[in-house]
Amino acid sequence: AQSVTQLDSQVPVFEEAPVELRCNYSSSVSVYLFWYVQYPNQGLQLLLKYLSGSTLVKGINGFEAEFNKSQTSFHLRKPSVHISDTAEYFCAVSSPYGGSQGNLIFGKGTKLSVKP
Amino acid sequence: NAGVTQTPKFQVLKTGQSMTLQCAQDMNHNSMYWYRQDPGMGLRLIYYSASEGTTDKGEVPNGYNVSRLNKREFSLRLESAAPSQTSVYFCASSEGPSRSTDTQYFGPGTRLTVL
Repeated sequence: AQSVTQLDSQVPVFEEAPVELRCNYSSSVSVYLFWYVQYPNQGLQLLLKYLSGSTLVKGINGFEAEFNKSQTSFHLRKPSVHISDTAEYFCAVSSPYGGSQGNLIFGKGTKLSVKP
Repeated sequence: NAGVTQTPKFQVLKTGQSMTLQCAQDMNHNSMYWYRQDPGMGLRLIYYSASEGTTDKGEVPNGYNVSRLNKREFSLRLESAAPSQTSVYFCASSEGPSRSTDTQYFGPGTRLTVL
């Protein structure tokens, strides 16, 4: 069964600084990886996803993530954050196989707080 | 397009009461999902429906039932609510048929408190 670990529950950062939100996964089979963002009092929306191909994935709002198979990681990065990036970010994993392995498994989330 | 809509937004129940959470999508998606979100737990899948007329259990189905009424609507029923079901419930949909790769679109959530 897959699992996801988001190493930081909260990340405070100043506006215009770079940020990295860390995500590690555990799986005995090949995986698909996702980052979703949840703004206050809203549902989740997709930032980016890795299905295959280039390990560097670019998403919306200037975010990108890199799939590192050897380190089983999928860290999310942004070179310069804005106040509007304050939100909770969820890493998720699934696999191409049937049954429960096809379901999205979410990490516990990282709350990004951008300060002026 | 409204996307995914959920009703009600908030609900308070007493232990043992029943209720149905409603979800509708206007994107002509095939797959629909119900998740619960608890503090510090991320989202956990309760049930999903890959197409009209089919439903399957997710990670935490106990205490819940679902109905895929038609392609647009997917409801979640609590027959006898328990305090452990206090949570925020999210409905989502995806184009389908692959729930493992498709982007899921989420509704705004229902905050349920069971006293």
